[in-house]
Amino acid sequence: AQSVSQHNHHVILSEAASLELGCNYSYGGTVNLFWYVQYPGQHLQLLLKYFSGDPLVKGIKGFEAEFIKSKFSFNLRKPSVQWSDTAEYFCAVSINTGTASKLTFGTGTRLQVTL
Amino acid sequence: NAGVTQTPKFRVLKTGQSMTLLCAQDMNHEYMYWYRQDPGLGLRLIHYSVGEGTTAKGEVPDGYNVSRLKKQNFLLGLESAAPSQTSVYFCASSYLARGRDYYGYTFGSGTRLTVV
Repeated sequence: AQSVSQHNHHVILSEAASLELGCNYSYGGTVNLFWYVQYPGQHLQLLLKYFSGDPLVKGIKGFEAEFIKSKFSFNLRKPSVQWSDTAEYFCAVSINTGTASKLTFGTGTRLQVTL
Repeated sequence: NAGVTQTPKFRVLKTGQSMTLLCAQDMNHEYMYWYRQDPGLGLRLIHYSVGEGTTAKGEVPDGYNVSRLKKQNFLLGLESAAPSQTSVYFCASSYLARGRDYYGYTFGSGTRLTVV
């Protein structure tokens, strides 16, 4: 079974700082990769996804992620964070069977952006 | 469209009581899921369904039962609630799609359950 590791549990950044959140997965086959964001008191929303093709994926709100197959990683990045990016971020993976399948989530990274 | 609607939003139960959480989606999605979210543990899959009348166990199914009698509804039941089931429960749905047409899950707003 696949698993997902997010090593940064709590990250505190000042506004305008650059962000990189780590995500590693364990599965030897083809995977689909996702980043979700959960703003305080809200449900999860999709930030971006990777299925195939260009390993650099751009999502909403200026976020991007790079799939590095050799490192089993899918790190999330943003050049300049804003206070409104304060949220919890979840990496998720599903086995690529060509159709929708259940997601396995990481434990999440809480991002706090200070003014 | 309402998307995914969960009821109730909050509930306090006494140990041993039973309850049912309702999830309804109006997007004609084939797949539906129940997750629980706990601090430091992320989201863990309880049960899921790949279509009307079918259900399957996820990562943490013990103490829960589910039913999907109609395509749009997915019910999560707790027969005898325990304090360990205090959590935030999220329902999600997705459609059967291939490749880049798949946009992942649509989540409900969650149910905060406290078992005392």
